[in-house]
Amino acid sequence: LAKTTQPISMDSYEGQEVNITCSHNNIATNDYITWYQQFPSQGPRFIIQGYKTKVTNEVASLFIPADRKSSTLSLPRVSLSDTAVYYCLVGDDTGFQKLVFGTGTRLLVSP
Amino acid sequence: KAGVTQTPRYLIKTRGQQVTLSCSPISGHRSVSWYQQTPGQGLQFLFEYFSETQRNKGNFPGRFSGRQFSNSRSEMNVSTLELGDSALYLCASRRSSNEKLFFGSGTQLSVL
Repeated sequence: LAKTTQPISMDSYEGQEVNITCSHNNIATNDYITWYQQFPSQGPRFIIQGYKTKVTNEVASLFIPADRKSSTLSLPRVSLSDTAVYYCLVGDDTGFQKLVFGTGTRLLVSP
Repeated sequence: KAGVTQTPRYLIKTRGQQVTLSCSPISGHRSVSWYQQTPGQGLQFLFEYFSETQRNKGNFPGRFSGRQFSNSRSEMNVSTLELGDSALYLCASRRSSNEKLFFGSGTQLSVL
């Protein structure tokens, strides 16, 4: 079961690019990586998912190095509304293993 | 398409009571998982059901139980409530084990 480690908090300013890294040293071959965003008093919301190399969608990019022991969520040109907690989750695509979320990274975007 | 619906939104109970929370998944989703979220412990996995069978369970005492019905709706029960059970309880649904989770807005439980 891959345990994840993320920075507890990060600060940024509007318009900057933010990179949040998640460490998952014992990731297994069949594991994939998913990132979620959570606002206060709401459930987490899916941002992006990947298995290897780079994935990009309309809101973020996910970079996964060849050894897959870490992953980086990249948010381009953040705005105040990106202030939230970001979680990475390592999951198995072959079965129902325990869904263990890390502590999350609290991102604060200032004007 | 309707999202994941959790009821009730807020709940106040006293120690020793029991509580049942409900979760209606997105149509077509056969998996429902439950989580406890507290400021100090973050997002903790409780259990996941798929096609009415519990597929995995987190490290919680037996006071926490759940079930899933044939229409994929799920309920979570906590018996003999303790003050420490005060938390936001979230459920999520997905179509299968390798798909993304869709979360509800949660039930905020306060135990007095």
